[in-house]
Amino acid sequence: NAGVTQTPKFQVLKTGQSMTLQCAQDMNHNSMYWYRQDPGMGLRLIYYSASEGTTDKGEVPNGYNVSRLNKREFSLRLESAAPSQTSVYFCASSEALGAGDTEAFFGQGTRLTVV
Amino acid sequence: GIQVEQSPPDLILQEGANSTLRCNFSDSVNNLQWFHQNPWGQLINLFYIPSGTKQNGRLSATTVATERYSLLYISSSQTTDSGVYFCAASSGGSNYKLTFGKGTLLTVNP
Repeated sequence: NAGVTQTPKFQVLKTGQSMTLQCAQDMNHNSMYWYRQDPGMGLRLIYYSASEGTTDKGEVPNGYNVSRLNKREFSLRLESAAPSQTSVYFCASSEALGAGDTEAFFGQGTRLTVV
Repeated sequence: GIQVEQSPPDLILQEGANSTLRCNFSDSVNNLQWFHQNPWGQLINLFYIPSGTKQNGRLSATTVATERYSLLYISSSQTTDSGVYFCAASSGGSNYKLTFGKGTLLTVNP
């Protein structure tokens, strides 16, 4: 049971380049999330998907787009990378609210540097 | 949205010491989790504890939802306990998005 898998683990981009971060979960969870972590700060929510076919903005969505490809996969795209997007990106999944919220599990992170 | 504050921001211990980390939150919660971020950056789930008390080996956690705080206890600390400890919470209703505190950086010296 792999849990939440992110690819790639490391990436260096030049300013203006585009890339897609991939995330897949094998826990049959309904909800998926993308966070970024900057030095000295906790994780901040970029986008989330409550269920297959839906996506919503989080706290820091500017400069990003997402796609919920199916129930397992949730990708994050940077259309034109900027140095301010240098960060560690985490994908997470949890079961959607039904009777109540459930535990969230995180991937290993993608360390992105934009030069 | 919900606010999450952690204290202390930094903590230095000698191996074998005990410690208590605190997490205050501003609203009622339907999810509260504690994570350990190890030196390699990986987020390890410690506890899912929106209320009550749980124990796992040398670690235990208590959430007093009515008073809007949670505590993480580490007993007989080891050098491998070093890293950043995060508290994260989501508030009631249909909000299931976790809001993170800024973390407590724990250093355990041999």
